[in-house]
Amino acid sequence: GAVVSQHPSRVICKSGTSVKIECRSLDFQATTMFWYRQFPKQSLMLMATSNEGSKATYEQGVEKDKFLINHASLTLSTLTVTSAHPEDSSFYICSAMRPGAVAFFGQGTRLTVV
Amino acid sequence: GENVEQHPSTLSVQEGDSAVIKCTYSDSASNYFPWYKQELGKRPQLIIDIRSNVGEKKDQRIAVTLNKTAKHFSLHITETQPEDSAVYFCAAANAGGTSYGKLTFGQGTILTVHP
Repeated sequence: GAVVSQHPSRVICKSGTSVKIECRSLDFQATTMFWYRQFPKQSLMLMATSNEGSKATYEQGVEKDKFLINHASLTLSTLTVTSAHPEDSSFYICSAMRPGAVAFFGQGTRLTVV
Repeated sequence: GENVEQHPSTLSVQEGDSAVIKCTYSDSASNYFPWYKQELGKRPQLIIDIRSNVGEKKDQRIAVTLNKTAKHFSLHITETQPEDSAVYFCAAANAGGTSYGKLTFGQGTILTVHP
């Protein structure tokens, strides 16, 4: 079946630094990918929609300058958390839609900002 | 935008019993309703999905029903096993609109199956 790969799975960074997370669709082309954030014991909250070759669409309340999204190819989207702070610590997870409306998720990235 | 409500937030059953989780949605344009199982620290796994052109779908011990008029859909797990214990999320999306594939998730249900 379709596979979406996300890296890294865990990252610890210092406050003020930037972290890049990659999301790849391995066996299908994904013109659209999605980035979610999940706090402990909570649901997945959509942060932004990543569109290949164009600007990402951010959900209300999500700072586009802080969460930079780049979707440079049909198989890769990246999320960069800039100037990270402890409150950005969370589980970030991407998904890609295979034609037919089936979403597959990456493994997720546990970000800890110290 | 779409709003998905999921109940209950926690569900505890004995092994072999059935479990039912219910969701309601607000956007009548939504036409795709997947259910995901998520174990701690792992990615959500699609367990079953249903489209708005059918009312029920079954896959072994798992079934999903959809009532478009009432805008609600439910997950039914029969003969539950301890390995069914996880967090379950419902979601809704408009699979053909401009927001293609944008899933709106319910709040999640923590299912615990006691041996």
